[in-house]
Amino acid sequence: GAGVSQSPRYKVAKRGQDVALRCDPISGHVSLFWYQQALGQGPEFLTYFQNEAQLDKSGLPSDRFFAERPEGSVSTLKIQRTQQEDSAVYLCASSPGQGGSTDTQYFGPGTRLTVL
Amino acid sequence: KQEVTQIPAALSVPEGENLVLNCSFTDSAIYNLQWFRQDPGKGLTSLLLIQSSQREQTSGRLNASLDKSSGRSTLYIAASQPGDSATYLCAVREAAGNKLTFGGGTRVLVKP
Repeated sequence: GAGVSQSPRYKVAKRGQDVALRCDPISGHVSLFWYQQALGQGPEFLTYFQNEAQLDKSGLPSDRFFAERPEGSVSTLKIQRTQQEDSAVYLCASSPGQGGSTDTQYFGPGTRLTVL
Repeated sequence: KQEVTQIPAALSVPEGENLVLNCSFTDSAIYNLQWFRQDPGKGLTSLLLIQSSQREQTSGRLNASLDKSSGRSTLYIAASQPGDSATYLCAVREAAGNKLTFGGGTRVLVKP
């Protein structure tokens, strides 16, 4: 079946612009995660949804970052007034359950954001 | 705060040699540990998931061990092939919450 998809794959923004990144999880997956991966580093957690509820947003770096999943399926990560330090790959992942010990997260290909 | 470290950061081996990748974590109260593979420009692919009650998991040429008390996991890849060239990431999931905390990864090059 189809995996996690993300769009756009690449985004170039001028400093100060707003951007919106989309994630389509695997159909039926309850949990959805966003991670930020800087060049040469491991991904860092941003936020987590269970269905439409945002249960953990402790990793969002500032109030310029906002995520939503209004119908419990597609999710959007929005970054307002982008800054150069926001340049990174943004990864979305979904998992079928609510966090059982064998629940694996399935990752999308990521959106590479470059802020000029 | 959980911290995950992977050593070495990069590794180059001739084809056929066994690979040993190390991962350490500071807080032993983990729910599970996963090893992922990442190819350039692509997302992460899960290789193995070890639950906190398990000592190891095996899949084909891959074997991962977990020593929770010492905060360590090791990924072994037997008889490496050029197609194994990628970045390998370990991630721990803590008992509280669903998020993964990742190490910085080990970049592996297997030379033909």
